[in-house]
Amino acid sequence: DAKTTQPPSMDCAEGRAANLPCNHSTISGNEYVYWYRQIHSQGPQYIIHGLKNNETNEMASLIITEDRKSSTLILPHATLRDTAVYYCIVRVEQTGANNLFFGTGTRLTVIP
Amino acid sequence: DGGITQSPKYLFRKEGQNVTLSCEQNLNHDAMYWYRQDPGQGLRLIYYSQIVNDFQKGDIAEGYSVSREKKESFPLTVTSAQKNPTAFYLCASSISVPSYEQYFGPGTRLTVT
Repeated sequence: DAKTTQPPSMDCAEGRAANLPCNHSTISGNEYVYWYRQIHSQGPQYIIHGLKNNETNEMASLIITEDRKSSTLILPHATLRDTAVYYCIVRVEQTGANNLFFGTGTRLTVIP
Repeated sequence: DGGITQSPKYLFRKEGQNVTLSCEQNLNHDAMYWYRQDPGQGLRLIYYSQIVNDFQKGDIAEGYSVSREKKESFPLTVTSAQKNPTAFYLCASSISVPSYEQYFGPGTRLTVT
């Protein structure tokens, strides 16, 4: 699986957009980009995933560069409840168990 | 409500004792996973199971054992052979077809003294 690099921490003002970057320069053509988040002392929560195209759901938007070597997770209007560790994961999607490697992620702090 | 339950939330044991962590899901998922998380670290995969009566070692299986006798249940035993058992343990499940989403339980925080 391709390795990902994320900044260890970021701050964002409440109500502003939070833009979380992820580098995955060795990504291969069949690897998806997944984003999860983990609020303190809870299990991780799936946010969004994508292969090539930009994706949007009720929680966030995922922007993947044309060369697929990096991506950005966008929380359009950050709230205090979005304070969490955000994990960017790159993985081939396959039948059966999909083992996801969770690195240390980016700790996002939303400031009032 | 469908979901994953882990019990108990906090567990304390003496060194040298085996301890079993419970994980139950009613999502009808075929695949289940156990992860370990240490303070300030990401998650590391201990064991996973794609189907009943089948499981594979993850990255850090030494000192752990699992069973998968029922689709709904995937208990993890932390044995006395595990050198540093104190950690936060997370169970997850997913559908077996290509899936992007794993559903996680609330976790069990194990402290061994």
